Amino acid sequence: QKEVEQNSGPLSVPEGAIASLNCTYSDRGSQSFFWYRQYSGKSPELIMSIYSNGDKEDGRFTAQLNKASQYVSLLIRDSQPSDSATYLCAVTNSGYALNFGKGTSLLVTP
Amino acid sequence: EAQVTQNPRYLITVTGKKLTVTCSQNMNHEYMSWYRQDPGLGLRQIYYSMNVEVTDKGDVPEGYKVSRKEKRNFPLILESPSPNQTSLYFCASRTGPSGNTIYFGEGSWLTVV
Repeated sequence: QKEVEQNSGPLSVPEGAIASLNCTYSDRGSQSFFWYRQYSGKSPELIMSIYSNGDKEDGRFTAQLNKASQYVSLLIRDSQPSDSATYLCAVTNSGYALNFGKGTSLLVTP
Repeated sequence: EAQVTQNPRYLITVTGKKLTVTCSQNMNHEYMSWYRQDPGLGLRQIYYSMNVEVTDKGDVPEGYKVSRKEKRNFPLILESPSPNQTSLYFCASRTGPSGNTIYFGEGSWLTVV
């Protein structure tokens, strides 16, 4: 079983702060990494994808990948109450299976 | 508009009564899959299909069947539903193994009593 591990949270941060979400994975052959945001009862929506070591920035979001440590993270700068959701880490080895973590619940307090 | 459409969105049914959840995508994607989502367990893949007439089991296939007779449709069949299949179900599609954008349907809430 290819594991993708996330802290379930909830992670609580004040509005305007940086939220840091972490994910580890077990399959060393993994090549593609994704962060999804999911509001309660809604379908997941893609926020970021990252394929190579280092940082990738998109607006307030930064994904960080370290394949040697089998670790991927998502930073959310200037967190807003609307960012309150569950964040899912997903990993694939470029086959057909996309393995999801159980998600981290983020709460941004005004 | 790119869409994955699932029906029904909400269903309460009784144990043993066969049901089908339909899924259709309008993007000509090769790859489609079904997930179930349960509290504390995250998204778990039930079945996936790499193309027409090509399907395979995911992590939790027991109690489910699928078919892929047309590229756009990938129905999920529960031949004899049981209460442990009460869950939120998502259909998803993408272009193929390297397709990095997965399109999810809106989800189907299924309750088996």
